[in-house]
Amino acid sequence: DVKVTQSSRYLVKRTGEKVFLECVQDMDHENMFWYRQDPGLGLRLIYFSYDVKMKEKGDIPEGYSVSREKKERFSLILESASTNQTSMYLCASSPNRDGGETQYFGPGTRLLVL
Amino acid sequence: QKEVEQNSGPLSVPEGAIASLNCTYSDRVSQSFFWYRQYSGKSPELIMSIYSNGDKEDGRFTAQLNKASQYVSLLIRDSQPSDSATYLCAPYGGSNYKLTFGKGTLLTVNP
Repeated sequence: DVKVTQSSRYLVKRTGEKVFLECVQDMDHENMFWYRQDPGLGLRLIYFSYDVKMKEKGDIPEGYSVSREKKERFSLILESASTNQTSMYLCASSPNRDGGETQYFGPGTRLLVL
Repeated sequence: QKEVEQNSGPLSVPEGAIASLNCTYSDRVSQSFFWYRQYSGKSPELIMSIYSNGDKEDGRFTAQLNKASQYVSLLIRDSQPSDSATYLCAPYGGSNYKLTFGKGTLLTVNP
């Protein structure tokens, strides 16, 4: 079974803090993705990566950065957390370079920024 | 702007009935289509994928694709209360590694 894990299920941070969300997949997948999900707005892609040290902006990259130093690990960084970044954050991975394969999701991290 | 449209619902059906979930998409080059189920507070999980026109059946689930009409649907036969969830439609365009997700349809199956 494909397994995607995220470092925290729930996280509470203060405005202005630097926040790291970690995602690890154990199936040697090429592609990894970070989404946020908000009521009424659906899943929105923040960043994705199709190879180690490669990253591409998604639809809403502002206020975020990412790091992929190893194939299995993809980190999302909030440089200075703000209240409008309170959300459910979902990491996903997919097997192949062309991205046409299924994306598998981690359990999600619910982030509250106070 | 690629768009995926789904009726937000809630779609309410009695237990044992057929639930029909619909999705239209704007990107004509979409090649692959995925249906995800998401329970409240949980992450999406894949339940069906379909790549060519026609029907694809997997247990109680049938996915239907009509590329000419840019329409994909999911039928759930013999609906169970455990099917109550939000169903997300996600076409894949083939050129940018990304899935485009609809906002989902909330299905409620009443015992």
